[in-house]
Amino acid sequence: GENVEQHPSTLSVQEGDSAVIKCTYSDSASNYFPWYKQELGKRPQLIIDIRSNVGEKKDQRIAVTLNKTAKHFSLHITETQPEDSAVYFCARRDDKIIFGKGTRLHILP
Amino acid sequence: NAGVTQTPKFQVLKTGQSMTLQCAQDMNHNSMYWYRQDPGMGLRLIYYSASEGTTDKGEVPNGYNVSRLNKREFSLRLESAAPSQTSVYFCASSEGAALSNQPQHFGDGTRLSIL
Repeated sequence: GENVEQHPSTLSVQEGDSAVIKCTYSDSASNYFPWYKQELGKRPQLIIDIRSNVGEKKDQRIAVTLNKTAKHFSLHITETQPEDSAVYFCARRDDKIIFGKGTRLHILP
Repeated sequence: NAGVTQTPKFQVLKTGQSMTLQCAQDMNHNSMYWYRQDPGMGLRLIYYSASEGTTDKGEVPNGYNVSRLNKREFSLRLESAAPSQTSVYFCASSEGAALSNQPQHFGDGTRLSIL
C-alpha cells in the first residue's frame, strides 16, 4: 500500500564498522527519497536525499542507493562513529510524503 | 536566522481543553507542515500549507485545525484535546511547492501530554 517498510528497527554495530538500513515501498510513482537523522530529544535533520533519476549518491561517509525496479532504497554509513548513534528515518514522496517507522542505530565502543 | 521555531516546547492539558501550537519560520519558505511523532510510528503528516491562506489535510487530520496566518506562521489547534493526541508535534517548512522534492526543515518539537 502507501507505507514505507523500514528494516531493521534496531541495529547495533561496532565502532568503525558499516551500517546499512533498507526501506521498501510499493508505489512506483514515488520520485524523491530523503533520509533523516534524529538524535534523542532533538529535531529530525536531513542527512541525504536521492531523486528517482539517480541510482546512488554519496556524501563523505554516508551514501544512499536506489533500485527503482525493485522499489527499495538503502542508507549506508561507513566507518561508524559514536556520534552516528541516533534514529534514522527514510521517507518517500509522490503526491504525499510517507515516513518509515525508524531504525535505532547503536554504535558500540 | 533561527530556522523553524515552535512554541511551547512542553504542555500538559486535561481532556477537553483546547490549545494552539505556534510555528514560525524565517527562511521565506512557501510550504509548511505539521507532523505528529509517536513511538514506533515515525512521523505522520497532520496538515500542510502550500502558501498563505491555503491548507490541506495530511494523513491524520482528525481532531485538528490549522491556520496559515501569513507566510511565516502556521498554527495547529486542538479544539477538544483527547488522550490519543498525546504526542510530540513537529512543524516543518520547505522551499517551493508543497510536498515537492525539497528537503524539509524541522522545528524542535512540542511535547504535548493529555491527561
